[in-house]
Amino acid sequence: DAGVIQSPRHEVTEMGQEVTLRCKPISGHDYLFWYRQTMMRGLELLIYFNNNVPIDDSGMPEDRFSAKMPNASFSTLKIQPSEPRDSAVYFCASTFRPGQGGYNEQFFGPGTRLTVL
Amino acid sequence: GQNIDQPTEMTATEGAIVQINCTYQTSGFNGLFWYQQHAGEAPTFLSYNVLDGLEEKGRFSSFLSRSKGYSYLLLKELQMKDSASYLCAVRPSVGMGGKLIFGQGTELSVKP
Repeated sequence: DAGVIQSPRHEVTEMGQEVTLRCKPISGHDYLFWYRQTMMRGLELLIYFNNNVPIDDSGMPEDRFSAKMPNASFSTLKIQPSEPRDSAVYFCASTFRPGQGGYNEQFFGPGTRLTVL
Repeated sequence: GQNIDQPTEMTATEGAIVQINCTYQTSGFNGLFWYQQHAGEAPTFLSYNVLDGLEEKGRFSSFLSRSKGYSYLLLKELQMKDSASYLCAVRPSVGMGGKLIFGQGTELSVKP
């Protein structure tokens, strides 16, 4: 498998513009996570999906952020309008339902480095 | 609330042993993970503990004490390529799927 795929890898945009980040999870994984990483706050969970349904979006900073998962192989994270404080690396990760007594490590994509000027 | 503490940075010498500590206070506990993250790259899974004790995996070992809310990652025979950030993460509850709460990470520098 190719692993978790994210696009674009780098995005530079101006304040006020809409930004869309894309993720393709590993085939067969039924959990998908969106994280944001900054020096100040570390790695923060924004939202996660199970079987394409959003389960917990308590980490989404504000209404400017939205995420969708229209099918098992694709998810988007949208920021509209973007602000300079949104500059960060955004990671997508996926995993599978753990078996009895098992564990389910998350597999991370390469990330999208977002810069909002 | 959820709180996970790790030292911000550590320095060690090539060939030596280093221990990275992690303490946690979470609303529940269903496993602790360690991830390695090289600069500019994604985190990659290193180890998992859910029961008390030591888990060994080659040069890396991880220890857990649930009663103390404490874990450590032990790296032996350090190599230059071990210079990276090490992230401690707790899964609060099995009912929350695979949701993880991450610590800030410990930046390890390995010197010749």
